Amino acid sequence: SQQGEEDPQALSIQEGENATMNCSYKTSINNLQWYRQNSGRGLVHLILIRSNEREKHSGRLRVTLDTSKKSSSLLITASRAADTASYFCATPNYGGSQGNLIFGKGTKLSVKP
Amino acid sequence: DAGVTQSPTHLIKTRGQQVTLRCSPKSGHDTVSWYQQALGQGPQFIFQYYEEEERQRGNFPDRFSGHQFPNYSSELNVNALLLGDSALYLCASSFRENQPQHFGDGTRLSIL
Repeated sequence: SQQGEEDPQALSIQEGENATMNCSYKTSINNLQWYRQNSGRGLVHLILIRSNEREKHSGRLRVTLDTSKKSSSLLITASRAADTASYFCATPNYGGSQGNLIFGKGTKLSVKP
Repeated sequence: DAGVTQSPTHLIKTRGQQVTLRCSPKSGHDTVSWYQQALGQGPQFIFQYYEEEERQRGNFPDRFSGHQFPNYSSELNVNALLLGDSALYLCASSFRENQPQHFGDGTRLSIL
């Protein structure tokens, strides 16, 4: 079964706009990660946010975590066509191990030039 | 510095056959995890290897087995292939089990 559920399933925006994706999870976590996957490729780690953090930035990415609502959001600012990809949230399954991650179904982002 | 490499990139098999997929971890990494990603879904954890032993296992039948070699590379073996085994198989590596993982581009397995 999948822990995280991303919302929306698909998102289409114009270049320069901001994109926001949400993730909800079911059990207590000590961290949450976001990954990007270009079509037919492997996953690329974007950012990790720990349970004691509420917000984290990395370049054009901003991630928030609300442990009381068991939810996280990923904001991509000033989107580019190269941001077109699927985005997944993931949480560790056993005791915080990063090697056993539970992924959601992902949000498919399309950025039009 | 090579990242995670997987071979082959594509593979076509028929039901009942057996398949072996290979993974070389990123330089400096000693832990390898395998995931199965069906079309339109997120990856699902199969198992993790560290120090040549299976450390954790997901909800996959015994038809799925693996191995890790002394050089940290790993193999995923699937026996008695079913149509439902058609998927992208991803290998991920890290240094120890508590660091973010680096993924390979996967092996696309099609079962006819």
